[in-house]
Amino acid sequence: GAGVSQSPSNKVTEKGKDVELRCDPISGHTALYWYRQSLGQGLEFLIYFQGNSAPDKSGLPSDRFSAERTGGSVSTLTIQRTQQEDSAVYLCASSFDRPRATNYGYTFGSGTRLTVV
Amino acid sequence: AQKITQTQPGMFVQEKEAVTLDCTYDTSDPSYGLFWYKQPSSGEMIFLIYQGSYDQQNATEGRYSLNFQKARKSANLVISASQLGDSAMYFCAMREGPTGNQFYFGTGTSLTVIP
Repeated sequence: GAGVSQSPSNKVTEKGKDVELRCDPISGHTALYWYRQSLGQGLEFLIYFQGNSAPDKSGLPSDRFSAERTGGSVSTLTIQRTQQEDSAVYLCASSFDRPRATNYGYTFGSGTRLTVV
Repeated sequence: AQKITQTQPGMFVQEKEAVTLDCTYDTSDPSYGLFWYKQPSSGEMIFLIYQGSYDQQNATEGRYSLNFQKARKSANLVISASQLGDSAMYFCAMREGPTGNQFYFGTGTSLTVIP
């Protein structure tokens, strides 16, 4: 597609429920990233995909968080047994293959605003 | 230590005036990239400008320029001739080395342009 698409744009869920957040990157972008933005905070790195593999999962805050990517395209971030502190905006970004130079910006989606009540 | 520090939580500027948003960074990697993003109320992160650590000249993109002071490890964003549509959150970010997987973001500066 023309841009990075995320769905849903808003999600309200009850504490303890599982949620799935979807990211559809720009066609041809092999790298995909998930970030979390809590209210009034900067972006917190969660996970990076190169193709379907995730060489860097260092930012996932707990084992309740997992992500997968299929077909080198769509990615799903799953949060199990949601807690109130999981409330945040979850942003996805994609780029071309990990660059040899550092002058590759990302293209971000508009995010999913997750509210756990 | 914080990789990216933005010390101005909020800034105000009169329409048509210039404004500088501060950013300092911390890295021991000689190769890095510095970025500024704009986040309007819609939530999307919009890429504004990039500065490479080896670039000799300050980056410019239209009304945006990056005041890069390598020795001070600062990368301030200058917006000239502010417009009402510039009101948004602005984030400074850094990517380390040629193989860095992630961006490090600051906490952002909220800019309000006053008519």
